[in-house]
Amino acid sequence: AQTIHQWPVAEIKAVGSPLSLGCTIKGKSSPNLYWYWQATGGTLQQLFYSITVGQVESVVQLNLSASRPKDDQFILSTEKLLLSHSGFYLCAWSPTGGDQDTQYFGPGTRLLVL
Amino acid sequence: AQSVTQPDARVTVSEGASLQLRCKYSYSGTPYLFWYVQYPRQGLQLLLKYYSGDPVVQGVNGFEAEFIKSNSSFHLRKASVHWSDSAVYFCAVSAVRIFFGDGTQLVVKP
Repeated sequence: AQTIHQWPVAEIKAVGSPLSLGCTIKGKSSPNLYWYWQATGGTLQQLFYSITVGQVESVVQLNLSASRPKDDQFILSTEKLLLSHSGFYLCAWSPTGGDQDTQYFGPGTRLLVL
Repeated sequence: AQSVTQPDARVTVSEGASLQLRCKYSYSGTPYLFWYVQYPRQGLQLLLKYYSGDPVVQGVNGFEAEFIKSNSSFHLRKASVHWSDSAVYFCAVSAVRIFFGDGTQLVVKP
C-alpha cells in the first residue's frame, strides 16, 4: 500500500527566515506529485506539480520554489518567508497512467509565520 | 475554462437526517469529478470519484454522488448522517488540471 508522509507536522517561523517542507511517497513508483497551499478555513491552491525527477512546474507564484530530488521526494522551500505564507501545506500524489487524475493527499504541514 | 462552485459555505443538519451537499462545475466536456473530505487539522481523503458510466457513484461511509450532465452538477448525498461526518467537504473537477471548490463545512448536531 502507498503511504505519504509530510514533515514537519507543524512549524512556527519568523518573517524573513528560510523554510523547507518535505514530502515522501512510499510504495509507488514514479508518481505525479503536487504541492497545495490552504489558507485557514480556505480553499486549496495548487502551487507546483512534478511528473518526474528533476522536473517541476509552477502553477502559482507565491515566492516559493519546489524541487524533486528523488523519485519519491518532493520539497517545498523559500529563502525568505512572508506573513502571507502562513497556512496549511498539503502534498499529494497521483499514479501515472489511467488513474492519473485521482490525487491522494498527505496529512499536511501547518505553518505559522510571525 | 474549468471552475467548481459549492454554493453552501456551511450546512447544518441533525444526526440521522439526510444530507445533500451541492456542487456545480463549468467545463465544456465531461470532466473527472471528485468529492474529498477534510477532518480538522488533517489532509484530504477521497470519498468518491466519477469518470464515466453509471451517473450514481458510491463512496465510502455511505456517501454517494450523482452526475447530472444537463445540470453540470455532482451533488453529494447521504441517507443518514452521523456526528462523525462533521468536516469540510470539497468538490473537485479535473480535465486539464484539477480545480477545487471552496468547500462546504458540514456540522452535524446531536
